[in-house]
Amino acid sequence: QVQLVESGGGLVKPGGSLRLSCAASGFTFSDFYMSWIRQAPGKGLEWVSFISSSSSYRNDADSVKGRFTISRDNAKNSLYLQMNSLRAEDTAVYYCARGTREPDYWGQGTLVTVSS
Amino acid sequence: DVVMTQSPLYLPVTLGQTASISCRSSQSLVYSDGNTYLNWFRQRPGQSPRRLIYKISNRDSGVPDRFSGSGSGTDFTLKISRVEAEDVGVYYCMQGTHWPPYTFGQGTKLEIK
Repeated sequence: QVQLVESGGGLVKPGGSLRLSCAASGFTFSDFYMSWIRQAPGKGLEWVSFISSSSSYRNDADSVKGRFTISRDNAKNSLYLQMNSLRAEDTAVYYCARGTREPDYWGQGTLVTVSS
Repeated sequence: DVVMTQSPLYLPVTLGQTASISCRSSQSLVYSDGNTYLNWFRQRPGQSPRRLIYKISNRDSGVPDRFSGSGSGTDFTLKISRVEAEDVGVYYCMQGTHWPPYTFGQGTKLEIK
């Protein structure tokens, strides 16, 4: 069965960096676009980034452009999100999801807290 | 950004009754390939979102036929017939037609009266 398991979240100071990972299993990872979507505590869902199956195409929401970088390693069935220059408003649970226009499977999420 | 507006935001429903959630987009969601990328998700407390419906009206595997999606263009509806206790949660519509970015509605919290 399809499984997506995020890791790498934690507490970080404003201006700091963090790298999230998402381990995929149960499907041919290299066949699918992948996405990161976040949810601030008690709030709704916000798209962050997505990446094509071969990494040739990536796109980010304006709120994270220039600070976050999505990447993947198809040999390791893994998706990543490098987050730099973190701000308090980046505090959220970060989900990886399979697909873009119609994300069908989501991980359980990893919490990122940006606070001094 | 395409704004997705859901109503109501809070929906108390009696067991066995029908629940209906509206989702309106600020632009048409018809993509150049002819498809309309309108999805519905449910998020139970403490869980990640689960997709229920894609392309307006296609139910995901394992989703009961009590759930149905309809609409076109900018106006969409999720209907849940014969509401059961397991249906509680927050329901989100999401458009996957216009980037940047793909956007979600604010969420509708369904509770049992």
